[in-house]
Amino acid sequence: QQQVKQSPQSLIVQKGGIPIINCAYENTAFDYFPWYQQFPGKGPALLIAIRPDVSEKKEGRFTISFNKSAKQFSLHIMDSQPGDSATYFCAANSGGSNYKLTFGKGTLLTVNP
Amino acid sequence: ETGVTQTPRHLVMGMTNKKSLKCEQHLGHNAMYWYKQSAKKPLELMFVYNFKEQTENNSVPSRFSPECPNSSHLFLHLHTLQPEDSALYLCASSPGTGGGQPQHFGDGTRLSIL
Repeated sequence: QQQVKQSPQSLIVQKGGIPIINCAYENTAFDYFPWYQQFPGKGPALLIAIRPDVSEKKEGRFTISFNKSAKQFSLHIMDSQPGDSATYFCAANSGGSNYKLTFGKGTLLTVNP
Repeated sequence: ETGVTQTPRHLVMGMTNKKSLKCEQHLGHNAMYWYKQSAKKPLELMFVYNFKEQTENNSVPSRFSPECPNSSHLFLHLHTLQPEDSALYLCASSPGTGGGQPQHFGDGTRLSIL
């Protein structure tokens, strides 16, 4: 019930490509879905987050798509750049007893020049 | 600059040593967290403090001892660690522990147990 399953484990794209990272959850009480970006030697940094009352949210080149009925959400990176090479984590939580963030295992993204 | 500062950045210790990790947040948050990050595993929540009170101990072995003297500072005291405890230890803070509150992470302490 608490798992967040993230795929793929790693992803390589060319500059300008649109990498897509997918996450699926089981706990229907989850109502907050953030994505974190982590560069080597740094801690995770909040990138973008969505709540289930919308199906899509964009911030710059980063877009979250949310499918409540399928219990899935995904991160799309438009016009990807080598500087986007990092590990990306999805997460989920809600209020009450589910306040703890449940993280996916992460996706290592490499954007080649 | 994330607003959450962790020291030291790297620590090598023997299994019989005693050391402490320090975390300080400058964001005015009330909740602080310790996480363990190991390769190819999800971040593992260890402890949660809210207004200096421990609200979560995620079945962490007693060789890890947290301390939160105020809402801005968090320590993790280490003693008699095992090789499998080698990992990146991350501190995070958030305005509170309610759902949907963004957590801000420090850059971690890379711990190596000899």
